[in-house]
Amino acid sequence: DIQVTQSPSSLSASVGDTVTITCRTSQSISNYLNWYQQKPGKAPNLLIYAASSLQTGVPSRFSGSGSGTDFTLTISSLQPEDFTTYYCQQSYSTPWTFGQGTKVEVK
Amino acid sequence: QVQLVQSGAEVKKPGASVKVSCKASGYPFASYTMHWVHQARGQGLEWMGWINAGNGNTKYSQKFQGRVTITRDTSANTAYMELSSLRSEDTAVYYCARENVDGYGYYFDYWGQGTLVTVSS
Repeated sequence: DIQVTQSPSSLSASVGDTVTITCRTSQSISNYLNWYQQKPGKAPNLLIYAASSLQTGVPSRFSGSGSGTDFTLTISSLQPEDFTTYYCQQSYSTPWTFGQGTKVEVK
Repeated sequence: QVQLVQSGAEVKKPGASVKVSCKASGYPFASYTMHWVHQARGQGLEWMGWINAGNGNTKYSQKFQGRVTITRDTSANTAYMELSSLRSEDTAVYYCARENVDGYGYYFDYWGQGTLVTVSS
């Protein structure tokens, strides 16, 4: 199985800040890496697919980059609704594995 | 618009089975693969398996292999996930999620609202 290591597990930031979350996979997965946002009590919501493609309807302050084994999600100019949990996921091979999650909290 | 609507919360005793449904609408059901994802309270997301809604082929996570069965009814545009031999650790929210594929990759573009399964004696 491909292991996905996401960091940090939590971070504190303020409205207007830029934050970066990283995911590293145990083997190369090309660009088969997706990012989801999950708010409490809700299903995950797709933000970025194929490492850097912005899902329709997602604000442009979200961006993704990387290929191979190292990936990043950047949120520019954090908004109040962005303080929640984010997950990366590899879809290169089954089992499709998720990172452990990053909780973005208010500083 | 695409919607995935799951069945309601369940309470089961240890050793029992549970069957969760996921009714799809707004797209050609048989043209997509449906996945199931498990999330224990306060924990992360864990992939359980998928079904090709067209031909019925399935693949399961090793962790759940032997206890999980994913099926579909194309006439009802509905996918099902059945988990047997329930134990307390299976208490979780279970999500269905549609797999989309394009020239760039594979990803879950739509999710059900989740179904809470509580296993308790």
